[in-house]
Amino acid sequence: QIVLTQSPAIMSASLGERVTMTCTASSSVSSSYLHWYQQKPGSSPKLWIYSTSNLASGVPARFSGSGSGTSYSLTISSMEAEDAATYYCHQYHRSFTFGSGTKLEIK
Amino acid sequence: QVQLKESGPGLVAPSQSLSITCTVSGFSLTDYGVSWIRQPPGKGLEWLGVIWGGGSTYYNSALKSRLSISKDNSKSQVFLKMNSLQTDDTAMYYCAKHDGAPYYFDYWGQGTTLTVSS
Repeated sequence: QIVLTQSPAIMSASLGERVTMTCTASSSVSSSYLHWYQQKPGSSPKLWIYSTSNLASGVPARFSGSGSGTSYSLTISSMEAEDAATYYCHQYHRSFTFGSGTKLEIK
Repeated sequence: QVQLKESGPGLVAPSQSLSITCTVSGFSLTDYGVSWIRQPPGKGLEWLGVIWGGGSTYYNSALKSRLSISKDNSKSQVFLKMNSLQTDDTAMYYCAKHDGAPYYFDYWGQGTTLTVSS
């Protein structure tokens, strides 16, 4: 099965700062099948970005996703307080796997 | 609107079996797949298995021998059964709906906590 490695595991950003986190796959993943979720403490994960670059309903435009093959990223153009959360990447290629998550904190 | 709600025993003794129910509304189980995902306390997400609209199932290879997923379309319920539970099976268990071919999870339940302890 494909292993997804997210980096960094933990990061902190100042309000207004540009943030980028990455998701690296052990083998090539179709960009259609690479997705991101946001999870806040005590809540279920929420679909955030689907098929690499499409924002889920209600996700602010400051978020974007990109990538192909084995390398994918999630970017926040200008950090806001409500963006503090853990972000997980997720892929489907014969089976489903999640990355280990990037915890984003406010500096 | 689409909703999923998990219900389970809460506490199970080691070596015993687990049965959790996911009751859905707002969509038909014959049209969409539902997966089970778990999250140990303070840790990440682990996909367990899926039951597709047609009833076929697919499991995490590491847990396949211990898992069984089934459903009752008429009752809009999906069932997860896991045997030989150990303490490291302690986790929040979620069910989540798939949205067609890209296979992302567009709706999640609130989760049900399972503690494996004597």
